[in-house]
Amino acid sequence: SYELTQPPSVSVSPGQTTSITCSGRGLRDKYVSWYQQKPGQSPLLVIYQDSRRPSGIPEQFSGSISGNTAALTISGTQAMDEADYYCQAWDSSTVIFGGGTKLTVL
Amino acid sequence: QLQLQESGPGLVKSSETLSLTCTVSGGSIGPSSYYWGWIRQPPGRGLEWIATIYYTGTTYYNPSLKSRVTISIDTSKNQFSLKLTSVTAADTAVYYCARQIFSCSGGTCYPDYFDYWGQGTLVTVSS
Repeated sequence: SYELTQPPSVSVSPGQTTSITCSGRGLRDKYVSWYQQKPGQSPLLVIYQDSRRPSGIPEQFSGSISGNTAALTISGTQAMDEADYYCQAWDSSTVIFGGGTKLTVL
Repeated sequence: QLQLQESGPGLVKSSETLSLTCTVSGGSIGPSSYYWGWIRQPPGRGLEWIATIYYTGTTYYNPSLKSRVTISIDTSKNQFSLKLTSVTAADTAVYYCARQIFSCSGGTCYPDYFDYWGQGTLVTVSS
């Protein structure tokens, strides 16, 4: 079955730029979405179709894909960006989520 | 503003059937170009997709759950539902309903990302 692999955790200092990766076989041929989830809240779509940002999502969030690895980049990271982040793609008529990455703002 | 609200029992006994309904307000569930899905999240763990449905009745299921899951839609009530049979403690989770947007690539269109989510409802399976 298809899998999306994310690092379990990423740390960043306030104001710095950080990236969270998501790897999968043949990912370059699929669209990748990214979700932010804060404790006790529902997931929030922050990136869709690899690099598009929904209305209301700050420009500090950007998405990219290179080869079989997608990346969510957060520039000027703030304490409020501390959350779990999940990538997601569609493969063989199923929705696949990555295992999630806990972003810690130190 | 589109809103989704999950409803159903918060406690289900082991081996019984879990039934949840998602009521959509602020928009039509169908006919429309949107898909509708269920996702769950066990306590302290990641997201797991369960199933997706289109207003025409076209369905997609997580292969690991397919034998136990049924997703259905009632456009007259603007609702869609989930049934999960033979539940065990492993089915304890927060269950979310969400709207799913289709994407097209290489001439094929398919349900893709989730743009609106319900607040989620915790379902605990008890022995």
